[in-house]
Amino acid sequence: GIQVEQSPPDLILQEGANSTLRCNFSDSVNNLQWFHQNPWGQLINLFYIPSGTKQNGRLSATTVATERYSLLYISSSQTTDSGVYFCAGPLTYNQGGKLIFGQGTELSVKP
Amino acid sequence: DAGVIQSPRHEVTEMGQEVTLRCKPISGHDYLFWYRQTMMRGLELLIYFNNNVPIDDSGMPEDRFSAKMPNASFSTLKIQPSEPRDSAVYFCASSLPSLGYNEQFFGPGTRLTVL
Repeated sequence: GIQVEQSPPDLILQEGANSTLRCNFSDSVNNLQWFHQNPWGQLINLFYIPSGTKQNGRLSATTVATERYSLLYISSSQTTDSGVYFCAGPLTYNQGGKLIFGQGTELSVKP
Repeated sequence: DAGVIQSPRHEVTEMGQEVTLRCKPISGHDYLFWYRQTMMRGLELLIYFNNNVPIDDSGMPEDRFSAKMPNASFSTLKIQPSEPRDSAVYFCASSLPSLGYNEQFFGPGTRLTVL
């Protein structure tokens, strides 16, 4: 089946540092989402990004669909950025958008 | 607009009891998804509906699990009888695919503990 690999699995940063999270897909996806799961367990939509680059404040994301990867950039990290970051995408042949999730990157930002 | 609403937020029950989880999708969304999150398996899709009709239930672990969507604004996921290995966080999500745009929005989840 489709594999979604995220790296790194864990990341510890000092407040103010920058980071890049990566998501690789083993097959084509027709869209891609990035989520932040906060310490309370809520899944927050960060980006819907089938291709190209989007920015939202200190966060930005880039998807290169032809090469089957996406990157999430976090700049000037804050303690509130802590949590688990997931990427997910449906299969190209899938109708309705059943999402396949990666295992996540657990980020801890220290003050 | 209210987001996806789930209830209860927490449920603690004893093995063998029936558990019913509830979901109200975002108004107007025609796809509804039930996901389960565990430490071992991560986030996985259980079942999804389109226009209240189940489309893919291949992720439902076994016959103890059932899901219904009697109308466009309400869905239930039932476990009967419940077992300790069903302990997990259950998420409901909804979407309205249009013109190639297909973003899913998740509810806050129900944390289920089966003792």
